[in-house]
Amino acid sequence: QQQVKQSPQSLIVQKGGISIINCAYENTAFDYFPWYQQFPGKGPALLIAIRPDVSEKKEGRFTISFNKSAKQFSLHIMDSQPGDSATYFCAASMASTEGAQKLVFGQGTRLTINP
Amino acid sequence: ETGVTQSPTHLIKTRGQQVTLRCSSQSGHNTVSWYQQALGQGPQFIFQYYREEENGRGNFPPRFSGLQFPNYSSELNVNALELDDSALYLCASSMEGGYNEQFFGPGTRLTVL
Repeated sequence: QQQVKQSPQSLIVQKGGISIINCAYENTAFDYFPWYQQFPGKGPALLIAIRPDVSEKKEGRFTISFNKSAKQFSLHIMDSQPGDSATYFCAASMASTEGAQKLVFGQGTRLTINP
Repeated sequence: ETGVTQSPTHLIKTRGQQVTLRCSSQSGHNTVSWYQQALGQGPQFIFQYYREEENGRGNFPPRFSGLQFPNYSSELNVNALELDDSALYLCASSMEGGYNEQFFGPGTRLTVL
């Protein structure tokens, strides 16, 4: 099963609050889990990524929590700011039989931070 | 360090035509992947090129083809365009081997009429 399921589809958070986006996967062969941020008319920008041998990774206001047994991972944005308003995608990666590292993306979450 | 660049920015074609999109990888990267992003959806993997060879492909028909050049730049060619091919086409570059981050370009917006 190659899908990555992402929720919620849209999220509104007050400035200074915590934004939480969740993702779930089925294929235990996935071994790399990045999060991307995309602004309208732009390509996705890599935010933060985690491998399944750790349960949490923090970079500035962004934290990934990873639960290997539940096959779930989430992005937490602390002290959310209006500039964080964007669409966020989770993804999972594994090597194909030919050696390619392909990313499988979730459906995206449109995050709006109200000032 | 130069990031991933793509050309053209926008393109309008009619059904049945052919199109070529171009990508220059980030400095130091030798692997290029192409993705299709329909409106309101996450990107879908088309294929990846490494050392000028296709080394992985997603669920896209053979009319989607590509090339990688010795300088690691790449082209995506789509023949016999269909209305459903209208999308943002993204190129991502990465360093050799697995477990490496993929960095995306700004994309080419293709509209098929």
